[in-house]
Amino acid sequence: RKEVEQDPGPFNVPEGATVAFNCTYSNSASQSFFWYRQDCRKEPKLLMSVYSSGNEDGRFTAQLNRASQYISLLIRDSKLSDSATYLCVVNLGTALIFGKGTTLSVSS
Amino acid sequence: EAQVTQNPRYLITVTGKKLTVTCSQNMNHEYMSWYRQDPGLGLRQIYYSMNVEVTDKGDVPEGYKVSRKEKRNFPLILESPSPNQTSLYFCASSSTAGFYGYTFGSGTRLTVV
Repeated sequence: RKEVEQDPGPFNVPEGATVAFNCTYSNSASQSFFWYRQDCRKEPKLLMSVYSSGNEDGRFTAQLNRASQYISLLIRDSKLSDSATYLCVVNLGTALIFGKGTTLSVSS
Repeated sequence: EAQVTQNPRYLITVTGKKLTVTCSQNMNHEYMSWYRQDPGLGLRQIYYSMNVEVTDKGDVPEGYKVSRKEKRNFPLILESPSPNQTSLYFCASSSTAGFYGYTFGSGTRLTVV
């Protein structure tokens, strides 16, 4: 069965906090991995791809563990503008499979 | 600007009245797909197309049709809409069957009464 599981949250953090999201996936045939960001009622937008070697984009760090089928996203120095829903996504070739999302709320 | 364009953005219709949601991309992508998003259920794939004249069912195809006569267009057709098709719909495209992710349209919020 193809599933992507993530903690729905919400995560409520103050500005400047570090927050970590985790995700597990069930299909070992998954080909590529992503974190998407979705603002309320808007389209999902690609935040970053995720690689086994780990990758960083500014305040965001993503990590993939294929053996454990586990994906993570770390956000450092949270900003108000980071408030959104973060979607863990895996690519099966014919479809992207989305987790239900983790909601982050950053407050001042 | 590279984009996926969906129309309409909002639609309220009555049960049984056929409708079409259009989707067009200007990136020459081979792959296109339709998703619906519902509270508590997340994004679920309805149909996808790997190229012109090649379409296949996703996870929730019942009540929907698609066609891919041209590379740039991938309309979603609801022949006889029902209230359980009230949802937020997204069209997406990719040049690599999603290996580097999808580009999404802005969404169509459909209400069937």
